[in-house]
Amino acid sequence: EAGVTQFPSHSVIEKGQTVTLRCDPISGHDNLYWYRRVMGKEIKFLLHFVKESKQDESGMPNNRFLAERTGGTYSTLKVQPAELEDSGVYFCASSQGQQTSTEAFFGQGTRLTVV
Amino acid sequence: GDSVTQMEGPVTLSEEAFLTINCTYTATGYPSLFWYVQYPGEGLQLLLKATKADDKGSNKGFEATYRKETTSFHLEKGSVQVSDSAVYFCALRGFNKFYFGSGTKLNVKP
Repeated sequence: EAGVTQFPSHSVIEKGQTVTLRCDPISGHDNLYWYRRVMGKEIKFLLHFVKESKQDESGMPNNRFLAERTGGTYSTLKVQPAELEDSGVYFCASSQGQQTSTEAFFGQGTRLTVV
Repeated sequence: GDSVTQMEGPVTLSEEAFLTINCTYTATGYPSLFWYVQYPGEGLQLLLKATKADDKGSNKGFEATYRKETTSFHLEKGSVQVSDSAVYFCALRGFNKFYFGSGTKLNVKP
């Protein structure tokens, strides 16, 4: 069974440009999460989809970030325009249920560098 | 709100040394607790978990016990190997989301 897949693995863009990150969750997982780790700090929650609906987007830093999950399958996270402080590693995770005991499966992450 | 605090790294140990990585948490309700590990060049992998107080999670020689009285979930291993070198994240799962610590980098020298 394929795991969570993220594209690209690395991205270097200039300040002001646009970048789109993609996440393919494990097939059949309705729950999809985006997280971000900045500068070696804690991994912080960005948002949560249940199928195609945004369940919780309380962690999205500002309106330069837009996440979508059309059709309830893969998801994209767009940053437009990118700022220097957006640099970090963006992780996607998926899970089958929402119980607290349910583990989430993480992708390898996308390392975003804004210069 | 919910949060996790884990010891700062990096931690450098010689092979076969004993490992402890401290983790404490603050939570409302009854969260589950997890340790995730990130090996160089890879994504986060679940190492172990515990879903209720006094549960012990274990995997690959690592153990952690869910201590509600001390709000802790310390990671231990009796004898580390070079292959254990990685970043370890303590996490709790509350309602619908994970809260992570800042990660502890472990370097094991031969």
